[in-house]
Amino acid sequence: AQSVTQLGSHVSVSEGALVLLRCNYSSSVPPYLFWYVQYPNQGLQLLLKYTTGATLVKGINGFEAEFKKSETSFHLTKPSAHMSDAAEYFCAVSGNTGGFKTIFGAGTRLFVKA
Amino acid sequence: GAGVSQTPSNKVTEKGKYVELRCDPISGHTALYWYRQSLGQGPEFLIYFQGTGAADDSGLPNDRFFAVRPEGSVSTLKIQRTERGDSAVYLCASRPGNSGANVLTFGAGSRLTVL
Repeated sequence: AQSVTQLGSHVSVSEGALVLLRCNYSSSVPPYLFWYVQYPNQGLQLLLKYTTGATLVKGINGFEAEFKKSETSFHLTKPSAHMSDAAEYFCAVSGNTGGFKTIFGAGTRLFVKA
Repeated sequence: GAGVSQTPSNKVTEKGKYVELRCDPISGHTALYWYRQSLGQGPEFLIYFQGTGAADDSGLPNDRFFAVRPEGSVSTLKIQRTERGDSAVYLCASRPGNSGANVLTFGAGSRLTVL
């Protein structure tokens, strides 16, 4: 069984500041991990994903995430926040064997202050 | 089609009525997923299809919910005897092949309001 915990339902940062959104997962099999973003009044879209290989993955709009197996974490970061980054971010996990359903966390809403 | 299409985009119904929500996935995508997203929550898994068959329906909340995909493309989520607690945005997503590594492409959702 898989699950995802996102720490902090709301995160507020100033424009230009570091963005850190936390995600911890639970999986009985090696996981595939994803971050999706949902902008206001838009559908979910992929930011980045980890499948195999390099544990630091880069996504769109300057975001990146690092898979840390020992910590069962996949935190999302961006060095410098932009106003346009304000959105809801969802961490998700999928298995690579057996069932392939993708389970989402509850989401973290990012606010960016001018 | 070019993207995942969901209809209707909005549905308002009365408690106790029957509702059908339709999803037309990206052409060639064999895997199709239904999620439910309540206000302020993440997408909650309901069911997924690999081809015509339901590979995992463990997320369906009760027997009032049912989904079909008879020809392996379009899927319909059916809700009987709707309750106010069923109000949510129902999301459909599809992806190619049978791998958890493949990215889900989401539709815009069907917003269901039960009065």
